[in-house]
Amino acid sequence: EPEVTQTPSHQVTQMGQEVILRCVPISNHLYFYWYRQILGQKVEFLVSFYNNEISEKSEIFDDQFSVERPDGSNFTLKIRSTKLEDSAMYFCAVPGPTLHLHFGNGTRLTVT
Amino acid sequence: SQQGEEDPQALSIQEGENATMNCSYKTSINNLQWYRQNSGRGLVHLILIRSNEREKHSGRLRVTLDTSKKSSSLLITASRAADTASYFCATDESRQSGGSNYKLTFGKGTLLTVNP
Repeated sequence: EPEVTQTPSHQVTQMGQEVILRCVPISNHLYFYWYRQILGQKVEFLVSFYNNEISEKSEIFDDQFSVERPDGSNFTLKIRSTKLEDSAMYFCAVPGPTLHLHFGNGTRLTVT
Repeated sequence: SQQGEEDPQALSIQEGENATMNCSYKTSINNLQWYRQNSGRGLVHLILIRSNEREKHSGRLRVTLDTSKKSSSLLITASRAADTASYFCATDESRQSGGSNYKLTFGKGTLLTVNP
């Protein structure tokens, strides 16, 4: 059973629309991370979230992006007004026991 | 080259052969990790090697780290068709504060194809 479940597995949206990607860990975690992978490219860090606050974010994580933990368990990544270049796989991750990350299976976002 | 750069970009071998993938990086690191990704799926952690370690084994995996050359290699022995996947190295950069904040820097990966 994966440490992290992501929904939806695939989201298709039109440019300019808002999308919300969800991440549900199977046990309590204080730290969450979002990464993205544009097709055929490297996996890139977006943001880290600790104790209900952003602890670090990358240059990619501009004002169009936001993260929340709306109900203490789910963890969401919102893109306010999607652009074509936001098309990518988005991965949620939580820390593993030995300094590595457990990644979810990702949400494939397609912006048309 | 960029942080966490793997080579080769693609590797095709026969089942039973060994596969070696290399990774180079640029900054000081706390540790270096290898992940595997099946097509369209999430990343699965394989093995982590700390900056003060030179070699580590896990099953059919062997990882080496040379901090003087800022490079690492992943060896998969006796490969199987099920090993077909993309393999990524990821570095956890050193910080003045010490410790890790899990902000990993990934390379573009090596696509390994193991032919039956």
